[in-house]
Amino acid sequence: QKEVEQNSGPLSVPEGAIASLNCTYSDRGSQSFFWYRQYSGKSPELIMSIYSNGDKEDGRFTAQLNKASQYVSLLIRDSQPSDSATYLCAVNRGGATNKLIFGTGTLLAVQP
Amino acid sequence: DTAVSQTPKYLVTQMGNDKSIKCEQNLGHDTMYWYKQDSKKFLKIMFSYNNKELIINETVPNRFSPKSPDKAHLNLHINSLELGDSAVYFCASSQEAYTDTQYFGPGTRLTVL
Repeated sequence: QKEVEQNSGPLSVPEGAIASLNCTYSDRGSQSFFWYRQYSGKSPELIMSIYSNGDKEDGRFTAQLNKASQYVSLLIRDSQPSDSATYLCAVNRGGATNKLIFGTGTLLAVQP
Repeated sequence: DTAVSQTPKYLVTQMGNDKSIKCEQNLGHDTMYWYKQDSKKFLKIMFSYNNKELIINETVPNRFSPKSPDKAHLNLHINSLELGDSAVYFCASSQEAYTDTQYFGPGTRLTVL
């Protein structure tokens, strides 16, 4: 089992729709969770961070965390073609292995 | 001003050569990282330094050697390059180790022929 799992996609949504990106993680002791966006040929950039159960909203983006289910998601409302990118989920396990573990990313394609 | 910069952006070299990649951050952060992103886009941490002290050293070949002359710089030297070393190498930094936001450099695309 991979430590951080994401569906590789591509996830195709029409412009204006809600894109839902999902991530599961294996270490129940994980403490902090991040969503990064990576355009083709570019470096990852942080979209959202979330540390406690529930929802966190920032503009069109909402991160959702459910530690009991070991699940974190990212919702993008009113999707735009400029949102087309690979979205990387990252988890910090904390403790002795304190480092970010990335998933392999989900490719999102927003169709005009 | 670029927050995290890397040089060179592209590096093409022959097997067996030794090469270095340099990274500098002007954010005043204490922690810097090296990541490798392979052809399948999997991003994996290699090393991390906090205030010039090595705090993460993943299972990478000892041909890879990081060096941090000061907390604003973290360089990566690779000896005896192999075909499998071809990847994009990203430097990143964060204010604190472990839980803070990491800011990535533009990446260095290494191609070993």
